[in-house]
Amino acid sequence: AAGVIQSPRHLIKEKRETATLKCYPIPRHDTVYWYQQGPGQDPQFLISFYEKMQSDKGSIPDRFSAQQFSDYHSELNMSSLELGDSALYFCASSPQTSGFTDTQYFGPGTRLTVL
Amino acid sequence: DAKTTQPPSMDCAEGRAANLPCNHSTISGNEYVYWYRQIHSQGPQYIIHGLKNNETNEMASLIITEDRKSSTLILPHATLRDTAVYYCIVRVAANYGGATNKLIFGTGTLLAVQP
Repeated sequence: AAGVIQSPRHLIKEKRETATLKCYPIPRHDTVYWYQQGPGQDPQFLISFYEKMQSDKGSIPDRFSAQQFSDYHSELNMSSLELGDSALYFCASSPQTSGFTDTQYFGPGTRLTVL
Repeated sequence: DAKTTQPPSMDCAEGRAANLPCNHSTISGNEYVYWYRQIHSQGPQYIIHGLKNNETNEMASLIITEDRKSSTLILPHATLRDTAVYYCIVRVAANYGGATNKLIFGTGTLLAVQP
């Protein structure tokens, strides 16, 4: 079965640079979530989109922005990168048409290293 | 969303059943119990979820107490590949056609399956 695709899988950037992470949800999933997992920490919710509109927002820095496109893929844009942004970034998707169950399925993650 | 309490770590012998407990004493009537696991640095993997009835799928069984204040995830025949951090998450399921809710990860239980 098709899974969530994230690209790139690994990314190395310098401080103050920008980075763009991409997420391609499972086909027919219209909701996308972004999570950040720092070293030794648990995943933390950043932001989510439903039908191309932001649906929820967590502790996402102002330097980060995200959007969902017409084909439902999503991009997380990160500017003025800091050392503390080094983390695993996971994207998850879920279907909205399943009624009361909306299980989120995660991608393999993008490992961002800021030097 | 209700908070959950899990033991930080557990051991299990390969081939034996692994029983992972979770306390969620402040759970509300419309909140589901979800279980995910994360094998080292991989994306969290959905295991199972339930509202009040016991549930079983090809991966595991979920036993929810009658008062819904606690639950147990059962891996019937643990293998070395089941070594992972297991997260018990309580959340409201999405309203049909509306925005969905983020997953709030606690610290989870590190299950170590021993040969």
